[in-house]
Amino acid sequence: RKEVEQDPGPFNVPEGATVAFNCTYSNSASQSFFWYRQDCRKEPKLLMSVYSSGNEDGRFTAQLNRASQYISLLIRDSKLSDSATYLCVVNGDSNQKVTFGTGTKLQVIP
Amino acid sequence: NAGVTQTPKFRVLKTGQSMTLLCAQDMNHEYMYWYRQDPGMGLRLIHYSVGEGTTAKGEVPDGYNVSRLKKQNFLLGLESAAPSQTSVYFCAIQLDSNQPQHFGDGTRLSIL
Repeated sequence: RKEVEQDPGPFNVPEGATVAFNCTYSNSASQSFFWYRQDCRKEPKLLMSVYSSGNEDGRFTAQLNRASQYISLLIRDSKLSDSATYLCVVNGDSNQKVTFGTGTKLQVIP
Repeated sequence: NAGVTQTPKFRVLKTGQSMTLLCAQDMNHEYMYWYRQDPGMGLRLIHYSVGEGTTAKGEVPDGYNVSRLKKQNFLLGLESAAPSQTSVYFCAIQLDSNQPQHFGDGTRLSIL
């Protein structure tokens, strides 16, 4: 089993739609979790951290389920500018283990 | 880019040439990383450093060397470039193990 797994997509959704991505991780000792977005040929940029109680930033909501070992990202009212690849990142224990998922591609269609 | 500067931005090399990529930060972060990303692929960790004077191997270290003589700089060297090393190279910094990484805008390297 991969340490961090994401559905590569692509997810093709119309403008205004709600879309959700999941990311599963294998190390139950993982400490912190993040979502990044990466535009084509650009560097990954931090989108949001993922907290145990769940957190929201505008149209974006992140959730953590430690029991089932997955994190999720929900995007409401999708915009064309949301088209990108979304990477989940899991920070392990004190051994400095940071694992990036391979990303889920989102294409928002007019 | 969160105080992370990568130089050069682009470079074309011939097989067998050597070069050094520089990652410089002004954030005083302890941890620094070098990744490569091939078209349509995920990030792969080459080497990383948890502090000045320390380095460690990542997932794909072969053909690369690194040095962290000063806290603010992390250098990635290719001693004898090969076409398989054609890629986009990203540097990242991190304050501590519970914090997110912040990336430079990348170096696009082509080896002919």
